[in-house]
Amino acid sequence: AQKVTQAQTEISVVEKEDVTLDCVYETRDTTYYLFWYKQPPSGELVFLIRRNSFDEQNEISGRYSWNFQKSTSSFNFTITASQVVDSAVYFCALSPYGYKLSFGAGTTVTVRA
Amino acid sequence: GAGVSQTPSNKVTEKGKYVELRCDPISGHTALYWYRQSLGQGPEFLIYFQGTGAADDSGLPNDRFFAVRPEGSVSTLKIQRTERGDSAVYLCASSLTSDRLTGELFFGEGSRLTVL
Repeated sequence: AQKVTQAQTEISVVEKEDVTLDCVYETRDTTYYLFWYKQPPSGELVFLIRRNSFDEQNEISGRYSWNFQKSTSSFNFTITASQVVDSAVYFCALSPYGYKLSFGAGTTVTVRA
Repeated sequence: GAGVSQTPSNKVTEKGKYVELRCDPISGHTALYWYRQSLGQGPEFLIYFQGTGAADDSGLPNDRFFAVRPEGSVSTLKIQRTERGDSAVYLCASSLTSDRLTGELFFGEGSRLTVL
């Protein structure tokens, strides 16, 4: 069984503050993939990143960075110098293979100007 | 447009009625997926098509739900005898391939179904 927990329901910050979104997962699979998706108010989910369970290197992409720690089953996501356009619901997801994603409940991020 | 297109964007129906939701994937995408998102929750997997066939329908909640993709492009999700608990946003996604190295799904904006 797969389970993804996003303990933070809502986070509100002022523009330019950093935001870290927590994600903890449970799985019995030895090989799996972790994802982050963004859901803006328009509703469509937008893919942000995929990591496989063998690659624990942290990753930075512009203002986004991800911290994968297999020892604590966590895959946290940080937005540096947040902007109003970052306001959205962010979902962490887990899958033993590509398509059958198990999503967390999501964290709503509100960035105020 | 170039993205995944879903119609209708909103559908209000009465309990017991039949509903069809349509998904037009990105051109050339062979894999198509349906997910359901209830209020305040993350999406839940329903069914996956590779070409015309349903490769995995393990997420369909019961036999009132059925989906088709007869020509390997457009898909229709069909719900019979709708119940109030079926109210949710139904999301469609597509991808070039569904192999384990992908997982990068392109989602539509969803069809919001409300069952009164």
